[in-house]
Amino acid sequence: GAGVSQSPSNKVTEKGKDVELRCDPISGHTALYWYRQSLGQGLEFLIYFQGNSAPDKSGLPSDRFSAERTGGSVSTLTIQRTQQEDSAVYLCASSLTGTPNSGNTIYFGEGSWLTVV
Amino acid sequence: AQRVTQPEKLLSVFKGAPVELKCNYSYSGSPELFWYVQYSRQRLQLLLRHISRESIKGFTADLNKGETSFHLKKPFAQEEDSAMYYCASSGGYQKVTFGTGTKLQVIP
Repeated sequence: GAGVSQSPSNKVTEKGKDVELRCDPISGHTALYWYRQSLGQGLEFLIYFQGNSAPDKSGLPSDRFSAERTGGSVSTLTIQRTQQEDSAVYLCASSLTGTPNSGNTIYFGEGSWLTVV
Repeated sequence: AQRVTQPEKLLSVFKGAPVELKCNYSYSGSPELFWYVQYSRQRLQLLLRHISRESIKGFTADLNKGETSFHLKKPFAQEEDSAMYYCASSGGYQKVTFGTGTKLQVIP
């Protein structure tokens, strides 16, 4: 597709259940980011992939959160044993990157709205 | 590590008044700087980047290396400018770092 695609767009889950959020970046983009945006709040960085490796996962809030990326393309963010405070919009973004000043524009998906009840 | 600071969480201005959204960065080399915007119910999107030296929707931003700033300006605010604005920085091969965002509210 032409843009970053995320699924599901909306997810309501019960506290304690696991959820998986998927991101399809723009074809050819080597960098992939996950962010979280809570109601009325700014962007909270979660994890950054360069290819299939994650050189920066410093933003993952706890060990209940994990992410993987396969084939340098699709990424999955998994939240185990969800809590109500996990309710937020989870944004995925991608960029060409790798070369300074030439490819670092980030393109965002529309987000996955997660509600934990 | 890079840091991007947006000191104002909320900025309210009257329609027709000038707007300045502040952004300071910490990267010591030659950063690549961006402004992103999120309108209500829309995805985050690029507004402008400093290397393009462009004006988008009347907004401009000048890189001031001495002050390590990249403030976003518009001479006359419009109601449709109301949105969340994020400043971002990227240096070398490092990941892009975003500020915490400023909500711009244009009062009719």
